[in-house]
Amino acid sequence: SQTIHQWPATLVQPVGSPLSLECTVEGTSNPNLYWYRQAAGRGLQLLFYSIGIDQISSEVPQNLSASRPQDRQFILSSKKLLLSDSGFYLCAWSRGSELAGNIQYFGAGTRLSVL
Amino acid sequence: LAKTTQPISMDSYEGQEVNITCSHNNIATNDYITWYQQFPSQGPRFIIQGYKTKVTNEVASLFIPADRKSSTLSLPRVSLSDTAVYYCLVGAGTGRRALTFGSGTRLQVQP
Repeated sequence: SQTIHQWPATLVQPVGSPLSLECTVEGTSNPNLYWYRQAAGRGLQLLFYSIGIDQISSEVPQNLSASRPQDRQFILSSKKLLLSDSGFYLCAWSRGSELAGNIQYFGAGTRLSVL
Repeated sequence: LAKTTQPISMDSYEGQEVNITCSHNNIATNDYITWYQQFPSQGPRFIIQGYKTKVTNEVASLFIPADRKSSTLSLPRVSLSDTAVYYCLVGAGTGRRALTFGSGTRLQVQP
């Protein structure tokens, strides 16, 4: 079966510090990978998605970046965090070969507080 | 990508059937309709997906009329644990066209 791991679960960082959130998927190959952010009481905002290694699309211009160094690894980074980067970050995957509907499976999330 | 419209919130009582409707007037021919459930501080969880008519699984039913411009998620006999946010997504294909989650419908189930 497929599993998705996301860490850390919670993170408190000072403004201006760097960020690295990691997500890995097991039990599948060539998945589509996604990073979302969710502000308190709001819906999910798609940040990045990737259909393959070094194929990453950015949905929202910001001070965040994403990388996919391996097939099943997706990393969200920032060189300098802003207060507005606080939120709940979610990683998700979907089957790359799936043509019907693109069902996404989510990790447990990382709650980031920038102080 | 098809835009969706859902009620912001709904209230219900335990044991009742809850129907949440999603409007997607500009749905494309190859678009599927997918519903997710999200509890606080957790990632969304896939509930059900359909293309047309009716789909039923162990959790919910999804009703899609012939014109496919709307869909209704039906939760039979809800319990307190069904209190969550429910998202309707409409789209097709692979991650080349990533879908967008709206604000969802916040369902509150009362005892």
